[in-house]
Amino acid sequence: AQSVTQPDIHITVSEGASLELRCNYSYGATPYLFWYVQSPGQGLQLLLKYFSGDTLVQGIKGFEAEFKRSQSSFNLRKPSVHWSDAAEYFCAARTSGSRLTFGEGTQLTVNP
Amino acid sequence: NAGVTQTPKFQVLKTGQSMTLQCAQDMNHNSMYWYRQDPGMGLRLIYYSASEGTTDKGEVPNGYNVSRLNKREFSLRLESAAPSQTSVYFCASSPLATNEKLFFGSGTQLSVL
Repeated sequence: AQSVTQPDIHITVSEGASLELRCNYSYGATPYLFWYVQSPGQGLQLLLKYFSGDTLVQGIKGFEAEFKRSQSSFNLRKPSVHWSDAAEYFCAARTSGSRLTFGEGTQLTVNP
Repeated sequence: NAGVTQTPKFQVLKTGQSMTLQCAQDMNHNSMYWYRQDPGMGLRLIYYSASEGTTDKGEVPNGYNVSRLNKREFSLRLESAAPSQTSVYFCASSPLATNEKLFFGSGTQLSVL
């Protein structure tokens, strides 16, 4: 079955530290991949997406993600985290013939 | 600049009661979606409407019905609420069914006692 897995339920980092959020997918073929962010009390907002081509994609708010086919992963990174990045992050995937499937989410806490 | 508007923001129901969650978008999008969000389970698709006049089941449709009233509005109805339907519900829209950029409403927190 198609699935998206985010192994880390909760991550805490200090402000200014680097961040990596993990995402793994299980699909028959390489799906389209996405990262969304959900601020408290809000809906989700698209951070970035990968369809094909360059495996390092840039998104909004200084985030980037790297697609690694050999590891079936699409990890989200940011070099220096700001307090305003505290939120829940969702990885998502779909193929051309399927609906979007979301991972379980990773809650990010940023310590001052 | 409203985007996707959901009402109500909060609702408490007793088991067996019915209610309708309303959703409207002002972006002229063709596709609309209803998701539920539960801790540790991410977002799960309940129903979607690829275009005006069509609706399809998603991953968890049981206990729900939807109506695509017109291009702007997509409502979700719980005919007989159950405690298992306690959740946060999100409406979303996208320009096309194949478009991955979903625009979300701010959610409805529903508790069924």
